[in-house]
Amino acid sequence: GQQLNQSPQSMFIQEGEDVSMNCTSSSIFNTWLWYKQDPGEGPVLLIALYKAGELTSNGRLTAQFGITRKDSFLNISASIPSDVGIYFCAGQRGGSEKLVFGKGTKLTVNP
Amino acid sequence: DVKVTQSSRYLVKRTGEKVFLECVQDMDHENMFWYRQDPGLGLRLIYFSYDVKMKEKGDIPEGYSVSREKKERFSLILESASTNQTSMYLCASSPVNRDSQHFGDGTRLSIL
Repeated sequence: GQQLNQSPQSMFIQEGEDVSMNCTSSSIFNTWLWYKQDPGEGPVLLIALYKAGELTSNGRLTAQFGITRKDSFLNISASIPSDVGIYFCAGQRGGSEKLVFGKGTKLTVNP
Repeated sequence: DVKVTQSSRYLVKRTGEKVFLECVQDMDHENMFWYRQDPGLGLRLIYFSYDVKMKEKGDIPEGYSVSREKKERFSLILESASTNQTSMYLCASSPVNRDSQHFGDGTRLSIL
């Protein structure tokens, strides 16, 4: 089955730095979602995007739904140690109940 | 808040055993999902159920089956466990026609 192309696979940053990650697809999605998975837990929804060009924030997190509807970006500003985890993008096509996931970006934040 | 509960956090079984992983959700969601998570491979859909007794194969259904006898419960069955089924298994649920899925904390399954 299709998976989204998510990059980078991993990031090692210093506390206070900004982080950017993205997800691309060869096909169009109607909805883009960003999840975070803390170690030992299940993924938790961070941000949902429903409209091409949409820019949505949740605290220090900002995500964008690409104009082509084939990509999405997540930015984290001023990272802190609790940002550590795996971030997944997910896309949903119209008429489908299923999500297509990226392979994840593993974030490590050094204090 | 939606709660998705997976019956075991850790499970160790032997090759050839029949293994049952249980998942219960408390928000009356129509849709339930089973994923497998492996390092570097992300989340891969095993099976999906959109109603009681209804199921649909995901991307990697081989070696697995599912059961949904009640709306709140979705079981994943490994018919004859093999070592390549050692993995983290995640259950999720969502309402119909809604995008966001709510996940359980996962079952880390080891097949020896």
